[in-house]
Amino acid sequence: KAGVTQTPRYLIKTRGQQVTLSCSPISGHRSVSWYQQTPGQGLQFLFEYFSETQRNKGNFPGRFSGRQFSNSRSEMNVSTLELGDSALYLCASSFTRGRSETQYFGPGTRLLVL
Amino acid sequence: TQLLEQSPQFLSIQEGENLTVYCNSSSVFSSLQWYRQEPGEGPVLLVTVVTGGEVKKLKRLTFQFGDARKDSSLHITAAQPGDTGLYLCAGATPGGGADGLTFGKGTHLIIQP
Repeated sequence: KAGVTQTPRYLIKTRGQQVTLSCSPISGHRSVSWYQQTPGQGLQFLFEYFSETQRNKGNFPGRFSGRQFSNSRSEMNVSTLELGDSALYLCASSFTRGRSETQYFGPGTRLLVL
Repeated sequence: TQLLEQSPQFLSIQEGENLTVYCNSSSVFSSLQWYRQEPGEGPVLLVTVVTGGEVKKLKRLTFQFGDARKDSSLHITAAQPGDTGLYLCAGATPGGGADGLTFGKGTHLIIQP
């Protein structure tokens, strides 16, 4: 099976712009979670989608949003970018919603905001 | 807010040495996972421990979950350069639901040949 894929792998934006990141989960996986990773804060949970519904959301401002399509592919959007949004954005998929379920991570999208 | 503290933050040792890294919290977790992340890649799951006091071994890696399910350790025997990476622990909260995992900030491990 192909692993989790994320596009693009690298992105450079300027403050105030918006960005959309894409994640394709492993075939058959219905849960997709998004995380932000920075050197200072580590990995922080953004949100989780299951069967096109957002099931949980972390403590991030409303500028961060996401959605999931019927084929389980997911996108996350960040509007009005700030310098502090520079980070590695990781997507993880799992077969079900259980937290002890193994999550498989993609390689991430590295976003740099100038 | 549940926090996982990992120590040490950085560790650089010579090939062949043994090491232990720690993951501690004041909160109870229903399960705890260890991941290794290499530069430019996402984290890869190494092991999940579920039962208090559980010990799991993967070749030269030994993982232990504390009796109270609040802490865990990873011991590497005869470290090799291929063990270099960021080691992350992540806890799942008890009580059901699908909250995202709570991650520690990781231990950056460098094994020098």
